[in-house]
Amino acid sequence: DQQVKQNSPSLSVQEGRISILNCDYTNSMFDYFLWYKKYPAEGPTFLISISSIKDKNEDGRFTVFLNKSAKHLSLHIVPSQPGDSAVYFCAASKGDNDMRFGAGTRLTVKP
Amino acid sequence: EAQVTQNPRYLITVTGKKLTVTCSQNMNHEYMSWYRQDPGLGLRQIYYSMNVEVTDKGDVPEGYKVSRKEKRNFPLILESPSPNQTSLYFCASTLIGPRWTEAFFGQGTRLTVV
Repeated sequence: DQQVKQNSPSLSVQEGRISILNCDYTNSMFDYFLWYKKYPAEGPTFLISISSIKDKNEDGRFTVFLNKSAKHLSLHIVPSQPGDSAVYFCAASKGDNDMRFGAGTRLTVKP
Repeated sequence: EAQVTQNPRYLITVTGKKLTVTCSQNMNHEYMSWYRQDPGLGLRQIYYSMNVEVTDKGDVPEGYKVSRKEKRNFPLILESPSPNQTSLYFCASTLIGPRWTEAFFGQGTRLTVV
């Protein structure tokens, strides 16, 4: 079963606008959430994370929001840049080893 | 430069012919793991290793073997590959298991089994 879901396979936004990528999870035991970014022909690279004791974490243009009651997190990119075009994976962890990934969302930022 | 190196990057093989995908990291990380990426399914963990000689199954271990004889290396072995193992494989390493903020991934190995 997919415990982490990214229901939008793709997203297209205009350069300079906000990109919002969404992620839902089903297991309330998850206590740490991460976003990874993946360019073609490369491995995923860590982008930003958030602990379940927080509801927001910001790093430059990237902000992750966590809504525990809704079991939902989102990644906001403001302003979006063409170099942000990539596949974004949401991941959730509940301790040693047990990290689950979503299916990914392909973001395209148009100039 | 900190990195995880996988080889080969691309591989086409025939059903039943044993193959090994190598993974090596230069960061002295204890924790290493293998994932496969399939369309619509994201990254699914195959096997992981907490340290030398310590390995365990992930979510989709069937048809795979691993070994961890040295800290830096974590090869993935397909004893008798089948077409359903056609996938994109990633090796990853991190200092400590629970918190993956510093997880490093290899560039991936695209395997096709015909």
